Amino acid sequence: EAGVVQSPRYKIIEKKQPVAFWCNPISGHNTLYWYLQNLGQGPELLIRYENEEAVDDSQLPKDRFSAERLKGVDSTLKIQPAELGDSAVYLCASSRTQGEAFFGQGTRLTVV
Amino acid sequence: GQQVMQIPQYQHVQEGEDFTTYCNSSTTLSNIQWYKQRPGGHPVFLIQLVKSGEVKKQKRLTFQFGEAKKNSSLHITATQTTDVGTYFCAGNTGTASKLTFGTGTRLQVTL
Repeated sequence: EAGVVQSPRYKIIEKKQPVAFWCNPISGHNTLYWYLQNLGQGPELLIRYENEEAVDDSQLPKDRFSAERLKGVDSTLKIQPAELGDSAVYLCASSRTQGEAFFGQGTRLTVV
Repeated sequence: GQQVMQIPQYQHVQEGEDFTTYCNSSTTLSNIQWYKQRPGGHPVFLIQLVKSGEVKKQKRLTFQFGEAKKNSSLHITATQTTDVGTYFCAGNTGTASKLTFGTGTRLQVTL
């Protein structure tokens, strides 16, 4: 069984530029999470999907961040425009309801 | 909102010593999960506890869920260098899959 796939693994962009991350969850997992992780800290939830519905996006900075989950499968997370403080690792995870979360390798974003 | 704190933030032990990390939630949890993240890696699931007072063991690792379902602990007996990494607890509340991660405890093991 394939795991959670994220791309790209690394991204370096200049501030004010847009950036997008892609996630393909494990087949059959209805829950998809996007987390942000800063160095030395725990993952912080940005948005959670149950199938195609965003059920928890209270921590998503909606002025610059957007996300979608097409047909309840793949998901994209976009930042526009990026700021220096957005530099972090963006983790995607999927699970069955209240089951163990499987994480992708993450995308390390550097904004310069 | 819900907060999950862990102590200590960092611990350095010599190989063979024991290690314990404690996890405390501001709200009652429906279940708690533990993850390990190696340096440069992503969190990897270790175990899930569901019942009040539950204790589970995995070889040298012992996990406990508090009676009030608001705290948990992970104890490693006789640490090895392969135990190096950051250990996170993560809790679910209600019936939803809102997995909130703790602040993590970074374990360093030296010979």
